Amino acid sequence: DQQVKQNSPSLSVQEGRISILNCDYTNSMFDYFLWYKKYPAEGPTFLISISSIKDKNEDGRFTVFLNKSAKHLSLHIVPSQPGDSAVYFCAASARFNKFYFGSGTKLNVKP
Amino acid sequence: GAVVSQHPSRVICKSGTSVKIECRSLDFQATTMFWYRQFPKKSLMLMATSNEGSKATYEQGVEKDKFLINHASLTLSTLTVTSAHPEDSSFYICSARPAGGPTQYFGPGTRLTVL
Repeated sequence: DQQVKQNSPSLSVQEGRISILNCDYTNSMFDYFLWYKKYPAEGPTFLISISSIKDKNEDGRFTVFLNKSAKHLSLHIVPSQPGDSAVYFCAASARFNKFYFGSGTKLNVKP
Repeated sequence: GAVVSQHPSRVICKSGTSVKIECRSLDFQATTMFWYRQFPKKSLMLMATSNEGSKATYEQGVEKDKFLINHASLTLSTLTVTSAHPEDSSFYICSARPAGGPTQYFGPGTRLTVL
């Protein structure tokens, strides 16, 4: 039973355009969400987080949006750069307990 | 800040031997550390949660006698794969969570290959 889903396994975007990565969850108790970026054969790198008391959090080129009623969050990268090409995982937890990870979306930013 | 290291980065061993993987938080104290396993083209699967000074909590389906976890200090946790078999070959990743915060910081991972 996958509680966090990333339904798009891959996404291709032109350099300079916006990348939008989506994540859906089923557990209404989730109150903290993270996005990680992962290169092959490396551990995930923390990107940005959001708690359920907010609906938006911004950090430089990265913005995470949370829609609690739809149980949906998204990561926007603007402008996209070739170095952003990686696999992006979303993760969710309830009350600081263990995180549940999505299956990842592979982003390819074309020069 | 928030750097987590893992050692070794790669290990190849013979079937039946044991392998120890270390996870260290370099610039913070981690009251809780996590061990994950990643299968090809799959998400991270949590194996166990370890709290400093207490026994690890294993996820359902993870053999605690096979995957021994020790969290002896606030900066070090070890995962020992005992009597390794080829099906244990995988990418093992640890993460560490500082006290008082929810965010986990990941190590670079260890590629285990069992021949």
